[in-house]
Amino acid sequence: SQQGEEDPQALSIQEGENATMNCSYKTSINNLQWYRQNSGRGLVHLILIRSNEREKHSGRLRVTLDTSKKSSSLLITASRAADTASYFCATDLAGSYIPTFGRGTSLIVHP
Amino acid sequence: SAVISQKPSRDICQRGTSLTIQCQVDSQVTMMFWYRQQPGQSLTLIATANQGSEATYESGFVIDKFPISRPNLTFSTLTVSNMSPEDSSIYLCSVVTSGSLNEQFFGPGTRLTVL
Repeated sequence: SQQGEEDPQALSIQEGENATMNCSYKTSINNLQWYRQNSGRGLVHLILIRSNEREKHSGRLRVTLDTSKKSSSLLITASRAADTASYFCATDLAGSYIPTFGRGTSLIVHP
Repeated sequence: SAVISQKPSRDICQRGTSLTIQCQVDSQVTMMFWYRQQPGQSLTLIATANQGSEATYESGFVIDKFPISRPNLTFSTLTVSNMSPEDSSIYLCSVVTSGSLNEQFFGPGTRLTVL
């Protein structure tokens, strides 16, 4: 099964609202990365958070990591229609640098 | 960061033919990977492209079907051989940067449709 699993699978919100997506994983990791993928396009790297970090910010993005619960969350504040995309988390197991991906969360932001 | 280009960006191919996808990176990177993303699915790692040696394939992927070359630290190719409609996917090249962050970056992908 997938190492990382995103939740929810789909999220639909209005522009201006916040969007929160969660990622859970099973084993110890080095890093956790979040990506965005617009329909049919390549992946855009958003944030990398290391296993010894708890929170990182980048613009309207906030990522948290709770290694005790083996989970991470991605918060997009003040969402825009342009944020409509699929969001994936990728984890690389401790001792490896090969990330594995979850199934993603499909986010739709209605203008 | 790393800038990655892939060629072709898309192609429509006939069953039984082969397609070679090229991946070019703007800097030398140690680790390069090839992923497949089937419609509506997440990414599945096909193999790690090793410079100067045979690629390391994941379970379910074999060299005869997906031969990979990596002649240097900035370039790799993936061939999808003897294609069938089930091979219709987006194929993505990816690199992991060296240094302390080990961030992974992706190319724009190659959308393959097999008729």
